[in-house]
Amino acid sequence: DIQMTQSPASLAASVGETVTITCRASENIYYSLAWYQQKQGKSPQLLIYNVNSLEDGVPSRFSGSGSGTQYSMKINSMQPEDTATYFCKQAYDVPWTFGGGTKLEIK
Amino acid sequence: EVQLQQSGPELVKPGASVKISCKTSGYTFTEYTMDWVKQSHGKSLEWIGGINPNNGGTTYNQKFKGKATLTVDRSSTTAYMELRSLTSEDSAVYYCARVNWAYAMDYWGQGTSVTVSS
Repeated sequence: DIQMTQSPASLAASVGETVTITCRASENIYYSLAWYQQKQGKSPQLLIYNVNSLEDGVPSRFSGSGSGTQYSMKINSMQPEDTATYFCKQAYDVPWTFGGGTKLEIK
Repeated sequence: EVQLQQSGPELVKPGASVKISCKTSGYTFTEYTMDWVKQSHGKSLEWIGGINPNNGGTTYNQKFKGKATLTVDRSSTTAYMELRSLTSEDSAVYYCARVNWAYAMDYWGQGTSVTVSS
């Protein structure tokens, strides 16, 4: 199975700050990487797929980049509503696997 | 509007089975694979498997083979997951999620909590 190592595990950011979350795959996943946001007590929601394609309705302050085994998601100008846990997920090979999650809070 | 409506919480005894439903609406059921995901309390997400509603074809995470069985009812546009021989390790929230062309899960059910306890 492909292992997805996500960092940091938790993070606190101020409103307006830029936040970066990274995901490292145990092997090349050829751009098959998505990011999900899960707010407390809610279902995960798709933010970004294929590394950098924003899902409809997702604010443009979210962006993704990366290649090979290294990927990242950036939030430009953190907002209070961005408080959530974020997960990466590879869709290159089954079983699909998720990162351990990054809990993002407001400082 | 795409909606995935899951069945309610379950409290089941060890060794029993449970069947969770995921009723869909707002899109053509047979055009999208349906995946199932497990989230143990406070932990990350695990992909259980997926089913093609068009032909019933399934793909499972090896870890869940023998534990989970995925089926669909095209007439009611509903997907099902049955979990058998339940133990405390199966206590979790289970989600159904529609899969888009990029193999990303673009719509999720609200989750079904399964608690295994005597």
